Amino acid sequence: EPEVTQTPSHQVTQMGQEVILRCVPISNHLYFYWYRQILGQKVEFLVSFYNNEISEKSEIFDDQFSVERPDGSNFTLKIRSTKLEDSAMYFCASSEAPGGNTGELFFGEGSRLTVL
Amino acid sequence: AQSVTQLDSHVSVSEGTPVLLRCNYSSSYSPSLFWYVQHPNKGLQLLLKYTSAATLVKGINGFEAEFKKSETSFHLTKPSAHMSDAAEYFCVVSNNNDMRFGAGTRLTVKP
Repeated sequence: EPEVTQTPSHQVTQMGQEVILRCVPISNHLYFYWYRQILGQKVEFLVSFYNNEISEKSEIFDDQFSVERPDGSNFTLKIRSTKLEDSAMYFCASSEAPGGNTGELFFGEGSRLTVL
Repeated sequence: AQSVTQLDSHVSVSEGTPVLLRCNYSSSYSPSLFWYVQHPNKGLQLLLKYTSAATLVKGINGFEAEFKKSETSFHLTKPSAHMSDAAEYFCVVSNNNDMRFGAGTRLTVKP
């Protein structure tokens, strides 16, 4: 069964360092997303991406964050200069159709980021 | 604006007894509603979804949910809990690309 894969599963970094989280969406999907879940809190929407550009982003997704689809398969989330409060589980998701009304989001297993 | 409230942060049941996980939503539009499950160290898996068709929705692993517009609810039920049902469950309300997650309900199943 096709699945969304994420790497690394866990990354520990020092505050101020750049981090890149990688995702391989399901191959025929066109819509891509990043969500995060701070320990003990809700899953929060960060950004959605379609046709090689950001379609929506939340207020969390500030200038420190960027997304890219560098080739036909990977979808990356970059945090330019990590802060302590960026420590969270980051989930990548993809869908065939726009997420929500009819499109089911398929989620990866998450990348846990710990900022020290 | 839309939001979802999961009324219980933790539910504990005995194996073989019914499960009820409560969810209320708020939406300005006719929403789509989902339940996702997250097992330890795993990603989020879709259990079931409501997208304006039948109000009683059946999902995987024997779960079902009923959309009640008058009560703005979408509670998740299962007649008989299994040990493997122990997980975190998320209710999600959505309109187009705007998906909002509830805080989650941790289900514990006692032998």
